[in-house]
Amino acid sequence: DIQMTQSPSSLSASVGDRVTITCRASQSISSYLNWYQQKPGKAPKLLIYAASSLQSGVPSRFSGSGSGTDFTLTISSLQPEDFATYYCQQSYSTSSTFGPGTKVDIK
Amino acid sequence: QLQLQESGPGLVKPSETLSLTCTVSGGSISSSSYYWGWIRQPPGKGLEWIGSIYYSGSTYYNPSLKSRVTISVDTSKNQFSLKLSSVTAADTAVYYCARHVREVLTLRIFFDYWGQGTLVTVSS
Repeated sequence: DIQMTQSPSSLSASVGDRVTITCRASQSISSYLNWYQQKPGKAPKLLIYAASSLQSGVPSRFSGSGSGTDFTLTISSLQPEDFATYYCQQSYSTSSTFGPGTKVDIK
Repeated sequence: QLQLQESGPGLVKPSETLSLTCTVSGGSISSSSYYWGWIRQPPGKGLEWIGSIYYSGSTYYNPSLKSRVTISVDTSKNQFSLKLSSVTAADTAVYYCARHVREVLTLRIFFDYWGQGTLVTVSS
């Protein structure tokens, strides 16, 4: 299995802050990397696919970058509705795996 | 608008089989562009992909669960189902069904529509 790690596991930030979350794969996954946002009691929501492609309807303050083993999700200016947990997911292998998540809460 | 809805027992006894169904509305499960998947999330923990199925019945499973998982599809009812056998407390989780886009050559492989999730507790 391809293992995914994320850092930090949690962070506190203020509205308007620039936030960066990192995801690392245990082997190269090219650009087969997706990002999801999950709020408490809700299903995950797809934000970014193929490492840097913005899913339709997702605000442009979200962006993704990276390839190979190292990836980042950036929120350019954190909004109140962005406080949530963020997961990366590799889709390179037919056995897809998710990262452990990064919780973004209010400072 | 595509919608997915999980249904099934919320409580299962240890060693028994967990059975859930996902009903798809607002679109056809027989679309050639999509697989249909199951993902679970233990309380307070992360996400784990269980397996996915194509409308033709072709399946692939998480190797760590493969020996206990069966996913099937009923195109006449626009539904797909999950069976997980020999459950233990470790299988207690919110179970989600989702549409699984799999366009390998364009890197478009992701879950884009999700059900609301259903909590299944394994307890005697």
